[in-house]
Amino acid sequence: DAKTTQPPSMDCAEGRAANLPCNHSTISGNEYVYWYRQIHSQGPQYIIHGLKNNETNEMASLIITEDRKSSTLILPHATLRDTAVYYCIVRLPSSSGNTPLVFGKGTRLSVIA
Amino acid sequence: DTGVSQDPRHKITKRGQNVTFRCDPISEHNRLYWYRQTLGQGPEFLTYFQNEAQLEKSRLLSDRFSAERPKGSFSTLEIQRTEQGDSAMYLCASSLKLGLGSNEQFFGPGTRLTVL
Repeated sequence: DAKTTQPPSMDCAEGRAANLPCNHSTISGNEYVYWYRQIHSQGPQYIIHGLKNNETNEMASLIITEDRKSSTLILPHATLRDTAVYYCIVRLPSSSGNTPLVFGKGTRLSVIA
Repeated sequence: DTGVSQDPRHKITKRGQNVTFRCDPISEHNRLYWYRQTLGQGPEFLTYFQNEAQLEKSRLLSDRFSAERPKGSFSTLEIQRTEQGDSAMYLCASSLKLGLGSNEQFFGPGTRLTVL
């Protein structure tokens, strides 16, 4: 079962920041927070991940609370092409390499012109 | 295009028939994953390979399902005696094993299976 809780849907005006929340209250100390998104009829796409510190890349910023029980994905200037389902995933790294991703239902973000 | 590719993109079959899907991962990636996604749900893990070894299988992978990665490159997923409940999008992903942490998975476009 997914270990995260996300709102089922959100709207955002084009050009504004989209802030997508995720609760992961049972996260363990060494689990990472990952975000993927899935545009209609495509496979999921990696966005960003983090452990404790806030992270930023060319796509988004990830803000993780100090207690690590929740996080927010920020798309600073949403465009129509950002309309997608956004998945927040917590994941325990394995010393032998990657572990499979456990997806929930995600948040359907609609960017409105 | 050097991303993950899947073939076919769409497959329509009659109940009881066998189907086989192919996934070609990113060339240097040693891990390959199969997921299944039904309408309105997130992808669900089926199985994964490291090189040619199948390391884990989900409970979702019934006896009618078999996956192979014979040379550690491309992979096939076969479903025997298909049922209407097998209708779904089958997604393949690949990644590079680098040890602890952060290795993202790159997904293909998926194969949409419809069982009539």
